[in-house]
Amino acid sequence: DADVTQTPRNRITKTGKRIMLECSQTKGHDRMYWYRQDPGLGLRLIYYSFDVKDINKGEISDGYSVSRQAQAKFSLSLESAIPNQTALYFCATSAPDRVYGYTFGSGTRLTVV
Amino acid sequence: AQTVTQSQPEMSVQEAETVTLSCTYDTSESDYYLFWYKQPPSRQMILVIRQEAYKQQNATENRFSVNFQKAAKSFSLKISDSQLGDAAMYFCAYGSGANSKLTFGKGITLSVRP
Repeated sequence: DADVTQTPRNRITKTGKRIMLECSQTKGHDRMYWYRQDPGLGLRLIYYSFDVKDINKGEISDGYSVSRQAQAKFSLSLESAIPNQTALYFCATSAPDRVYGYTFGSGTRLTVV
Repeated sequence: AQTVTQSQPEMSVQEAETVTLSCTYDTSESDYYLFWYKQPPSRQMILVIRQEAYKQQNATENRFSVNFQKAAKSFSLKISDSQLGDAAMYFCAYGSGANSKLTFGKGITLSVRP
């Protein structure tokens, strides 16, 4: 099994719908992150969490919310999806020892029509 | 805020040749880490190489090496003996000692010509 699992892998949804992207990890790390990737813009941080009771906004949190259900689970929700939220979404986790960087999930490609 | 700049959106290299991908960053921190990630068409993000800022020696991982110029805030990736499987998007990333959030550049698409 993958260290970081994202579901669904691909999703097409309609404008205005609520959608949840799920992420779970088996690394035992406290730190988890949500990024979105857009062509020409790289990866941008949406939300991050350093433990179950700690949730922080990233640089582009508007229109998104998150839930840290357990150490291993970190979900991203789009309350009312809009077309410019069409993107590739990555969940990642890291150890407190920052030298090792992130372990990423395989991404969720979301299309809002 | 820290920024990471990858100014070349695309590069191409002949198979078996060497290519260098550029990255610059801006920071006032003294304790930080730098990374190169590879994203092949499978879209998985794969760590290629990492460099700790306090280490003067440039990191190497097989055919991949970096040229870390701390004063110039430059962190380029050199790929030697390029292979078809090296074709991918490459992201440079920065993480400071204060927290573990990574800031990514916009990426560069590398193509390898057979």
